[in-house]
Amino acid sequence: NAGVTQTPKFQVLKTGQSMTLQCAQDMNHEYMSWYRQDPGMGLRLIHYSVGAGITDQGEVPNGYNVSRSTTEDFPLRLLSAAPSQTSVYFCASTRTSNYGYTFGSGTRLTVV
Amino acid sequence: AQTVTQSQPEMSVQEAETVTLSCTYDTSESDYYLFWYKQPPSRQMILVIRQEAYKQQNATENRFSVNFQKAAKSFSLKISDSQLGDAAMYFCAYRSATSNFGNEKLTFGTGTRLTIIP
Repeated sequence: NAGVTQTPKFQVLKTGQSMTLQCAQDMNHEYMSWYRQDPGMGLRLIHYSVGAGITDQGEVPNGYNVSRSTTEDFPLRLLSAAPSQTSVYFCASTRTSNYGYTFGSGTRLTVV
Repeated sequence: AQTVTQSQPEMSVQEAETVTLSCTYDTSESDYYLFWYKQPPSRQMILVIRQEAYKQQNATENRFSVNFQKAAKSFSLKISDSQLGDAAMYFCAYRSATSNFGNEKLTFGTGTRLTIIP
């Protein structure tokens, strides 16, 4: 049971480049979400999905796109990377409302 | 919107002693869940303990326990017999229990960095 798998673990981008952060879970969780973690600010919600084909914006969605074509996968796309997107990104999933989330191991992204 | 506040950016404790991390939250809801997550240097987010708001009994997991004061909207984490492996960033988080679209999201505090002194 792999849980939540995020790739890559580290990435350096140049300003203006695009890329996709991958997230996959094998627990048949309906709910998946993306957070970014910045020093002194905790984790902030970027986008989330309550099932295949259903996504919505979180607290800090600008500059990011998501889609959910399957229950297992929830990729996060950076359209045109900016230095302000330098952060650690976490994907997380859950099944029912009385469970804590299962988190991926995170992606450290640096935009130069 | 719900908010979660952790007023202690850093805490330290002697090994084998007890330490309490504070968390307060603001919500107009009556049914919700509260969590403490641990983030060691490995960056992995690890669920430490959770509390259902409708339960008056405080949750306990081995050396970890909470003091849940619903009226005061307070949710502190007590770590007993502190060990070197407890050194980490600790995050308090809130989740609504109502079954509305989008209510599954977690709202986090800014974290408390715990140092264990040998």
